[in-house]
Amino acid sequence: AQSVTQPDIHITVSEGASLELRCNYSYGATPYLFWYVQSPGQGLQLLLKYFSGDTLVQGIKGFEAEFKRSQSSFNLRKPSVHWSDAAEYFCAVGATDSWGKLQFGAGTQVVVTP
Amino acid sequence: GAVVSQHPSRVICKSGTSVKIECRSLDFQATTMFWYRQFPKQSLMLMATSNEGSKATYEQGVEKDKFLINHASLTLSTLTVTSAHPEDSSFYICSARRTSGETQYFGPGTRLLVL
Repeated sequence: AQSVTQPDIHITVSEGASLELRCNYSYGATPYLFWYVQSPGQGLQLLLKYFSGDTLVQGIKGFEAEFKRSQSSFNLRKPSVHWSDAAEYFCAVGATDSWGKLQFGAGTQVVVTP
Repeated sequence: GAVVSQHPSRVICKSGTSVKIECRSLDFQATTMFWYRQFPKQSLMLMATSNEGSKATYEQGVEKDKFLINHASLTLSTLTVTSAHPEDSSFYICSARRTSGETQYFGPGTRLLVL
């Protein structure tokens, strides 16, 4: 069975500083990996995804993530955060069978301070 | 883009009544749609997977007679919470996957409050 761990429940970062959100997964093969962001009152927005190929993935809003098979990780990074990046971030693992069910991590709440 | 809508966005109902939530893919066809439930400050929990024209597949612990799912077309899936009780109060989110593709696109969610 697949599982996802986001070790950090809450992160506070200063505006302009760099941000890294951790995600570790457990899956029998190379899974599909996703990062979603959820802002208050809004639906989940896809930031980026990894299916195969280049392990460094570029996403929207200046985010990137790196797939590291040896560490079973898919950490999300942004070099310089903006106040609008304050939100809940979810890492998700997708099964590679035809159903494509997603398993979500517990989420990391990001607070951006002036 | 890939837009998914949900209706209603918020609903309050009395205990014992049934509530229907609609999930629509507005600009693409979705063979598969998923229904999730999210409790306050928690992650999304998959409730069921619905494929167009067939019965939904429910996750362990989810009562299929309680949460009725219908996926009658490639752009519409409905979740009906039958005989709702206060413990069914939650945030229900749907997602849709293109007929060809692996990415799920999420609706904005429906806040259900059962009094």
